[in-house]
Amino acid sequence: SQQGEEDPQALSIQEGENATMNCSYKTSINNLQWYRQNSGRGLVHLILIRSNEREKHSGRLRVTLDTSKKSSSLLITASRAADTASYFCATKAAGGFKTIFGAGTRLFVKA
Amino acid sequence: DAGVTQSPTHLIKTRGQHVTLRCSPISGHKSVSWYQQVLGQGPQFIFQYYEKEERGRGNFPDRFSARQFPNYSSELNVNALLLGDSALYLCASSRSTEGAQVDSPLHFGNGTRLTVT
Repeated sequence: SQQGEEDPQALSIQEGENATMNCSYKTSINNLQWYRQNSGRGLVHLILIRSNEREKHSGRLRVTLDTSKKSSSLLITASRAADTASYFCATKAAGGFKTIFGAGTRLFVKA
Repeated sequence: DAGVTQSPTHLIKTRGQHVTLRCSPISGHKSVSWYQQVLGQGPQFIFQYYEKEERGRGNFPDRFSARQFPNYSSELNVNALLLGDSALYLCASSRSTEGAQVDSPLHFGNGTRLTVT
């Protein structure tokens, strides 16, 4: 079974709007990562947040982490049509080796 | 620098056959992980290798096996193929899985699209 669960499963917004995706996980983690995947291609790492961090920014991306609720959110501000992709959260369990992915949020940004 | 490369990019096999997928990690990366991604779902963890040793295995049957070579490249083998093995197989490399580099992100190849008929 997958560690992470993203919400919503799909999201459709207009260009310029903000997009928020949420992720919940089950066990204690070392870090949580967000990845992006364009259709049929490999995943691209976007941002990593450690378990002792609460918020992190990278360009138009903002990630929050609440370890007490075992949840994270990814905010994409001022979205562009090129942001259309699937977004996945991934976690590495404390003391573990493997990185486990959620089912993803499919984002569609309309021009 | 070259990214993670996987071969072949596409493959069509018949039920019962076996398949070997190949992956070359980014230079300097010693860890390779394999994932299976069925259409519309997230990547499912199959194996992780670090320094040529298996460090993790996902919930896949023994028909799935892998190995890592001295140059850190890796092969994924699947025997007795089933229709349900049709998927995108992704390889990812990272610098390390432990110690100070536990936060190393995964770098993915573009995958091998396997179709079993």
